[in-house]
Amino acid sequence: DTGVSQNPRHKITKRGQNVTFRCDPISEHNRLYWYRQTLGQGPEFLTYFQNEAQLEKSRLLSDRFSAERPKGSFSTLEIQRTEQGDSAMYLCASSPRVAGPSYEQYFGPGTRLTVT
Amino acid sequence: ELKVEQNPLFLSMQEGKNYTIYCNYSTTSDRLYWYRQDPGKSLESLFVLLSNGAVKQEGRLMASLDTKARLSTLHITAAVHDLSATYFCAVDFDVNRDDKIIFGKGTRLHILP
Repeated sequence: DTGVSQNPRHKITKRGQNVTFRCDPISEHNRLYWYRQTLGQGPEFLTYFQNEAQLEKSRLLSDRFSAERPKGSFSTLEIQRTEQGDSAMYLCASSPRVAGPSYEQYFGPGTRLTVT
Repeated sequence: ELKVEQNPLFLSMQEGKNYTIYCNYSTTSDRLYWYRQDPGKSLESLFVLLSNGAVKQEGRLMASLDTKARLSTLHITAAVHDLSATYFCAVDFDVNRDDKIIFGKGTRLHILP
C-alpha cells in the first residue's frame, strides 16, 4: 500500500494525558499537512511541513500541540495535557511540490481521538 | 479574510434527479479541489481544477471552476444512492508566495432511494 498511513486509528485517553500520533506520507511527497476535523465541520488546518521544515502553524495549534518531521519522512503530532475539546479526527495529508501547479493532497485514514 | 463557503450545507434528493452544489471563495485563486467523505472515513479526492473554465467529469459528477466569479460548482446528474456522502471543496490561496488551503464546511448529500 503506497498511500498515506496514520497510527493509531483510534485513541481514547483521559483528560490530562499526553498522546502522540504518527503519519507516514506517500514516499515521494515532500509536503505533509496536519488537520483537525470535528463532527459536521470541514478539516481545519493545523500545520504543514516541507521536507523537515515546519513552514506554518495555525493559531489553533496551542502550545500544548507540537509536530515534528525530523528526517523529512514520517511526522508526529503530540498533544500534551489533553482536554475534552481536543476530541476530534486528526487527519494527515501529503502532496508533491516539486514541479507543476497541482498541490493535490492525499489524505490518510485519520486518527480519532476521544478524551474522557 | 480567506473564506470558502459551500451551499447548500445539507441536501436531500430523490434518486434520478439532478442538482448542483456551489462553492464560493473570498479572494483570487486558480486551484480548487473537491473531496468526498463517507461517515467515519477520510477524504477521497474527486477533482482538481487548476484554471479558469476548467471542467472535469467522472461518472455522474461534473465539476467546473470560474475564477473570475470565484465560484466552483459540483453537478450531480441522475443521482444514485451510492453518491450519498459529504462533499467538500477546498481552495488553495497563494498568500505571500505560499499556499494556504481552506476547506468549506461541506455539503451533506442524502439521496433517497
